[in-house]
Amino acid sequence: GAGVSQSPRYKVAKRGQDVALRCDPISGHVSLFWYQQALGQGPEFLTYFQNEAQLDKSGLPSDRFFAERPEGSVSTLKIQRTQQEDSAVYLCASSPRLAAFGEQYFGPGTRLTVT
Amino acid sequence: GIQVEQSPPDLILQEGANSTLRCNFSDSVNNLQWFHQNPWGQLINLFYIPSGTKQNGRLSATTVATERYSLLYISSSQTTDSGVYFCAGIDSGGGADGLTFGKGTHLIIQP
Repeated sequence: GAGVSQSPRYKVAKRGQDVALRCDPISGHVSLFWYQQALGQGPEFLTYFQNEAQLDKSGLPSDRFFAERPEGSVSTLKIQRTQQEDSAVYLCASSPRLAAFGEQYFGPGTRLTVT
Repeated sequence: GIQVEQSPPDLILQEGANSTLRCNFSDSVNNLQWFHQNPWGQLINLFYIPSGTKQNGRLSATTVATERYSLLYISSSQTTDSGVYFCAGIDSGGGADGLTFGKGTHLIIQP
């Protein structure tokens, strides 16, 4: 079946621009996660949704980062006024169970480069 | 939050060799997973293994939850096994709801 998909796969933004990254989770998965992966590092957790409810946003690095999942399926991660330190790969994952209890499946990521 | 230590950080082996990768957690975790990140950046699920032992072909994994570590075994390595291996878990003590990853083991299998 179809896995997690993300778009765009690559995004180049000028510093100060706003960007929106999309995640299509596996159909029926209740949990959705966003992670940020800097070059040469492991992914770092940003935020967690259970259906449409954002239950944990403890990993969002600043108030320029905003995520939503209004209908409990597709999610968008928005970064306002991008900075060079925002350059990274943004990974989305989904799980059929609640956060602590389900295997997570990852999408291919969006590579964001801020110039 | 929890800390995840992976060892070794780098490993270079000849094709056909066996290897053991280790993951230590600073505290108890739920939802322990092993991943292989391929050269295109895709995280491929290897094992979901909060406890016990599992095997899948040439790969197997063991988690000893009471001692807060997990091991990944790769036997008869192939060049396609090259890449970065990550372990990750969720803090069972009520921390963040997402996975905390280690820094990974960078594995190179030479022909």
